[in-house]
Amino acid sequence: EAQVTQNPRYLITVTGKKLTVTCSQNMNHEYMSWYRQDPGLGLRQIYYSMNVEVTDKGDVPEGYKVSRKEKRNFPLILESPSPNQTSLYFCASSSLGPSDYEQYFGPGTRLTVT
Amino acid sequence: AQKVTQAQTEISVVEKEDVTLDCVYETRDTTYYLFWYKQPPSGELVFLIRRNSFDEQNEISGRYSWNFQKSTSSFNFTITASQVVDSAVYFCALSAFHWDTGNQFYFGTGTSLTVIP
Repeated sequence: EAQVTQNPRYLITVTGKKLTVTCSQNMNHEYMSWYRQDPGLGLRQIYYSMNVEVTDKGDVPEGYKVSRKEKRNFPLILESPSPNQTSLYFCASSSLGPSDYEQYFGPGTRLTVT
Repeated sequence: AQKVTQAQTEISVVEKEDVTLDCVYETRDTTYYLFWYKQPPSGELVFLIRRNSFDEQNEISGRYSWNFQKSTSSFNFTITASQVVDSAVYFCALSAFHWDTGNQFYFGTGTSLTVIP
C-alpha cells in the first residue's frame, strides 16, 4: 500500500529540548515536503527536497532543519523548540515532474511545546 | 506569484442543504493543477480531486461536484444534500512544476464546514 508514515503522531515537549519527527514514504518519490498547519493560516511549507542531498527552504523555515540522506526518508528536526512551533505538522511526497502528479500526505504530527 | 484564496472561513448548513465552497487562485503559469482536500476532525488530509489547467470540464462524483472556470480563476466545490459526515475543513490547493523548485503546492486557508443535523 502506497503511504507516507510519520512518527510520532503526538508529542508534548518542553522549550529547548531537541526533537526529530520522522517521515518515510514507500513510493520511490523524489519530491518530499514538510508543512505546518495553523488555524486561519492553512498549510505552509517549511522545507522541501527534490532528491537525495537536495533540500531547500519553503515559506517558514526558521527554527527547523531537515536532511535527505536516503530517498525514502525526510526527517524534520527542531534543534531548540519554542512554544510558537506548537502546530500540526504534515510530511508529504510526490513524483517530480510536470505531469499527472499528486501529493500524498502523512497522517500528521501534533506537536505541543510548553 | 501563486496564491489561493478561500474567502469563506466558516460555513454552517442544515443537513440536506446544498453548499458551495469557493476557491479563487492566482498564477502566471499556463500549466498547473488544482486540488481539493478534506480534513475531518480526526486531522488527516483526504484527497478529493485533481484538475489540470487544460481541462475545464466540470466533474461530478456522487454528491460532490466541482466547477472550474479559468476565466474567473475559480475552482468551486459543491456538496449536494449535505450530511453530517461532510463536516470538516476543506482546503483548495494550486500546484505547478518548475525545474528549480519542483512540484510546489500552495494552499488556501481552508473553509470549515459544519453540517447541523
